[in-house]
Amino acid sequence: DIQMTQSPSSLSASVGDRVTFTCRASQTISRSLNWYQQKPGKAPKLLIYSASFLQSGVPSRFSGSGSGTDFTLTISSLQPEDFATYYCQQSYSIPCSFGQGTKLEIQ
Amino acid sequence: QLQLQESGPGLVKPSETLSLTCTVSGDSISSSSYYWGWIRQPPGKGLEWIGSVFYGGSTYYNPSLKSRVTISVDTSKNQFSLKLSSVTAADTAVYYCARAPSDIGPVGYWGQGTLVTVSS
Repeated sequence: DIQMTQSPSSLSASVGDRVTFTCRASQTISRSLNWYQQKPGKAPKLLIYSASFLQSGVPSRFSGSGSGTDFTLTISSLQPEDFATYYCQQSYSIPCSFGQGTKLEIQ
Repeated sequence: QLQLQESGPGLVKPSETLSLTCTVSGDSISSSSYYWGWIRQPPGKGLEWIGSVFYGGSTYYNPSLKSRVTISVDTSKNQFSLKLSSVTAADTAVYYCARAPSDIGPVGYWGQGTLVTVSS
């Protein structure tokens, strides 16, 4: 099975900051990497698919990059509604697997 | 507007079978090219993919759960279901039903989730 490791596990930032999340796969997954945002008590929301494609309706301040084993999610200018937990997911091979999440908190 | 809604018991006894149904509105399972699946999240923890099904009956399961899981489709009711046998406290989680463009593809639509607690 492919293991997904996210770093950091938590991050404190302020409105307007630029933040970057990292996700690393235990083996190459090409560009089969997706990013989700989850708020407490809610289902995850797809932000980015195939490493860098913005899901319809997601603000352009979100962007993704990477290929192979190393991937990043960047929020260019944090908004109050962005404070949440972010998960990466590999969709390269069964079983698809998620990272453990990065919790973004208000500084 | 696509909507997915989970239903089923919120409490299951250890060693019994957990059964959940997802009712789909806004799309037809039998005419759709999408895959329909289940993902769970233990309280305070991360996400785990359980498996998915295509309307023709092809199923894809997480090997760690495969011996206990059955996912099936009822096209007449536009529903799909999850059965997880021999449950233990470790199966306590919020269970989400979901739609994806492939067996393990990015999940664009999620149900709201339903908490299932395994306890005697």
